[in-house]
Amino acid sequence: ETGVTQTPRHLVMGMTNKKSLKCEQHLGHNAMYWYKQSAKKPLELMFVYSLEERVENNSVPSRFSPECPNSSHLFLHLHTLQPEDSALYLCASSPGTSGGAENEQFFGPGTRLTVL
Amino acid sequence: KNQVEQSPQSLIILEGKNCTLQCNYTVSPFSNLRWYKQDTGRGPVSLTIMTFSENTKSNGRYTATLDADTKQSSLHITASQLSDSASYICVVRGTGTASKLTFGTGTRLQVTL
Repeated sequence: ETGVTQTPRHLVMGMTNKKSLKCEQHLGHNAMYWYKQSAKKPLELMFVYSLEERVENNSVPSRFSPECPNSSHLFLHLHTLQPEDSALYLCASSPGTSGGAENEQFFGPGTRLTVL
Repeated sequence: KNQVEQSPQSLIILEGKNCTLQCNYTVSPFSNLRWYKQDTGRGPVSLTIMTFSENTKSNGRYTATLDADTKQSSLHITASQLSDSASYICVVRGTGTASKLTFGTGTRLQVTL
């Protein structure tokens, strides 16, 4: 295991539901990330947090709302999603956010989300 | 626009055979390039990282090469095993205004008996 856990592993929700994805890292890292992985598409970076402060928001619709209460936990709150939001949502963490080789991102197993 | 293209999109090989996966990128200026392995139902795991000055790096049966002049990298898998069946993703990081990670779409490898 990579030291990054995600729950739930699978989630099916209707378009009117509200749900949350949870990520926890046990690596003592300072940075955490949310990615969306759709079939046959590259990973899409959604949000970046560094020391609990959001440092990047890549034009993600407001129906996705991240929360980082501390450096070990990251949430993604979901509401009024669309079927095209169905994807694998990956959480990652790294020691820092600079571009050096030391800041390898460690990924969780992902949450497979299906929106009906 | 920074891009990473991988080929082939998918590949099926017999157990014990070798294979080579390709990654071409346009990211500039270049900082480093990682190859990740992603098993089905799992998150990506880093296999190797290469910086500008490195041409070849091995990790067990995996050998990555980098030609920074032509902006190409390859991942060679020797004596493939069933457990090598996975997606292999090439990720490139630039510097300065290109410091974000750029991900390829991956190569889906299936190793069969």
